[in-house]
Amino acid sequence: EIVMTQSPATLSVSPGERATLSCRASQSVSSNLAWYQQKPGQAPRLLIYGASTRATGIPARFSGSGSGTEFTLTISSLQSEDFAVYYCQQYNNWPPRITFGQGTRLEIK
Amino acid sequence: QVQLVQSGAEVKKPGSSVKVSCKASGGTFSSYTISWVRQAPGQGLEWMGRIIPILGIANYAQKFQGRVTITADKSTSTAYMELSSLRSEDTAVYYCAREPDSSSPPDYWGQGTLVTVSS
Repeated sequence: EIVMTQSPATLSVSPGERATLSCRASQSVSSNLAWYQQKPGQAPRLLIYGASTRATGIPARFSGSGSGTEFTLTISSLQSEDFAVYYCQQYNNWPPRITFGQGTRLEIK
Repeated sequence: QVQLVQSGAEVKKPGSSVKVSCKASGGTFSSYTISWVRQAPGQGLEWMGRIIPILGIANYAQKFQGRVTITADKSTSTAYMELSSLRSEDTAVYYCAREPDSSSPPDYWGQGTLVTVSS
């Protein structure tokens, strides 16, 4: 099973500043990497897929990069609504499996 | 616009089973894949398995193999997840989510169903 490891577990950033979240895969997942945002009491929201493609309606301040085993989600200028938990997810085609990282909590500094 | 509407909260006894439904509207149900993901209180997301309704083929995470059954009814555009031999650690919110094709991650999610396992 592919293990996804996110860092840091918690990130404290001030509004207006940049946030950088990391995700590492235990083996190559090519570009089959997605990022989700989750707020309390809500379902996850897809932000990025294919490692770097923004999902429909996602603001341009969210960007993803990386391939293989190392990935990054960058939020260029944090807005109040961006403080949430972020998960990376790999979605292998074969064998068809999905695994999530343990999450990074982005909190207001 | 795809919508996934799940069944309501459940309270179950240890050792029993639970079956959660996920009714889809919008899009073509048979053309996409439905995954099930759970989240224990205060914990992260855990993928359980998925089904391709048009083929009726399901595959499961190793952790749940033998204890989970995912099915789909094309006539009602509804997917189901049944988990058996419930224990307290299965207390969680269970989500269904749509994968638009075989090379894409889940994009639309249901609202979640809280399953509480308690004696």
